[in-house]
Amino acid sequence: AQKITQTQPGMFVQEKEAVTLDCTYDTSDPSYGLFWYKQPSSGEMIFLIYQGSYDQQNATEGRYSLNFQKARKSANLVISASQLGDSAMYFCAMRETGGFKTIFGAGTRLFVKA
Amino acid sequence: GAGVSQSPSNKVTEKGKDVELRCDPISGHTALYWYRQSLGQGLEFLIYFQGNSAPDKSGLPSDRFSAERTGGSVSTLTIQRTQQEDSAVYLCASSFGSGGQETQYFGPGTRLLVL
Repeated sequence: AQKITQTQPGMFVQEKEAVTLDCTYDTSDPSYGLFWYKQPSSGEMIFLIYQGSYDQQNATEGRYSLNFQKARKSANLVISASQLGDSAMYFCAMRETGGFKTIFGAGTRLFVKA
Repeated sequence: GAGVSQSPSNKVTEKGKDVELRCDPISGHTALYWYRQSLGQGLEFLIYFQGNSAPDKSGLPSDRFSAERTGGSVSTLTIQRTQQEDSAVYLCASSFGSGGQETQYFGPGTRLLVL
């Protein structure tokens, strides 16, 4: 069965520093997609970055990069040069290719300190 | 273009009443999803629509919950005889397709409070 695990309920980071949010997953399907979403206090879910299981390179989107280690089944999100506006909940999610159901982790709340 | 919209943004109701939550997906998106997010929790899948296919209702928590999608666009989630444990944020998302790589775009959610 699919499963997403985010082991960090809360994280603190100093403004302008980098931070890594952990995500591990479990699936028996060799083909799947991994997603990270940001949810500010306003509540909307904002798509950040996507990694396909067959992608050879780690995905990057601006200050966001995904550290994809397929053998370890981990898909950690790295935020470089943290900003105060990065304070939010961050959710890791997975969907098997050919499926539709997206499984979300419990989330990590990130606090950026000035 | 416009994103996913949901209405109402907030809903307060009394236990036992029925409520309807509406979702307008992004134009051209064939897939539509409903999720529930209880306070401080992750997202719980409720139901999925893809084009004109029969919806997958496997995530609906009870028969008090139902959803429909008219004309392949707007969707309504109905909760009958609401209970206090139904209080949550109900999020709708849409995507262009339903393949593994398709990104879901979320609406702002409807915050439901059952008194």
